[in-house]
Amino acid sequence: GAVVSQHPSRVICKSGTSVKIECRSLDFQATTMFWYRQFPKQSLMLMATSNEGSKATYEQGVEKDKFLINHASLTLSTLTVTSAHPEDSSFYICSLFSSGNTDTQYFGPGTRLTVL
Amino acid sequence: EDQVTQSPEALRLQEGESSSLNCSYTVSGLRGLFWYRQDPGKGPEFLFTLYSAGEEKEKERLKATLTKKESFLHITAPKPEDSATYLCAVQARGKGSQGNLIFGKGTKLSVKP
Repeated sequence: GAVVSQHPSRVICKSGTSVKIECRSLDFQATTMFWYRQFPKQSLMLMATSNEGSKATYEQGVEKDKFLINHASLTLSTLTVTSAHPEDSSFYICSLFSSGNTDTQYFGPGTRLTVL
Repeated sequence: EDQVTQSPEALRLQEGESSSLNCSYTVSGLRGLFWYRQDPGKGPEFLFTLYSAGEEKEKERLKATLTKKESFLHITAPKPEDSATYLCAVQARGKGSQGNLIFGKGTKLSVKP
């Protein structure tokens, strides 16, 4: 069954508005969750690591003031795209890492953001 | 620089026609290599994790193998429902958080009945 859920699955917004995307861990408590972005025909690119109870860690080139991440509980991380512009239109996917007998990173179903 | 290259970009097969997808990688120290399947408009679905050269893993019609420079995803007698984009990713040892996977661009597989 699903390990990670995301909401909404699709969102269309006007340029200049802010959009919040939720990522929930369904099966276990996740102290760390990850946010990726995927442009058409491109690789998934890690944007940031979301840490429960502390500040997120952003990858080089990702603006922390534009992509606000909040990891308020062990099962919920949110990504807010502030003052969205058309170039922010992309597929945003969250994930969480499970290490046990096998290291596995589980991905959510993704959120398609379209900024008009 | 850590890098993942997948080939071919796209592959068309007839149902039952076996083939292999390639994932070449350069990484300072490999912690793990991951294979995922991604359907259009969906998040990646985990298939395999490989850790060391010589390791193999199987799941239904899929088998993943690993060498020091590349990994292969072998598809035996594929069916139309195997059509998807297959993604390869590597995790470098000691590099940042556990989630820092470096992905290739994927191979889009189409299986015709």
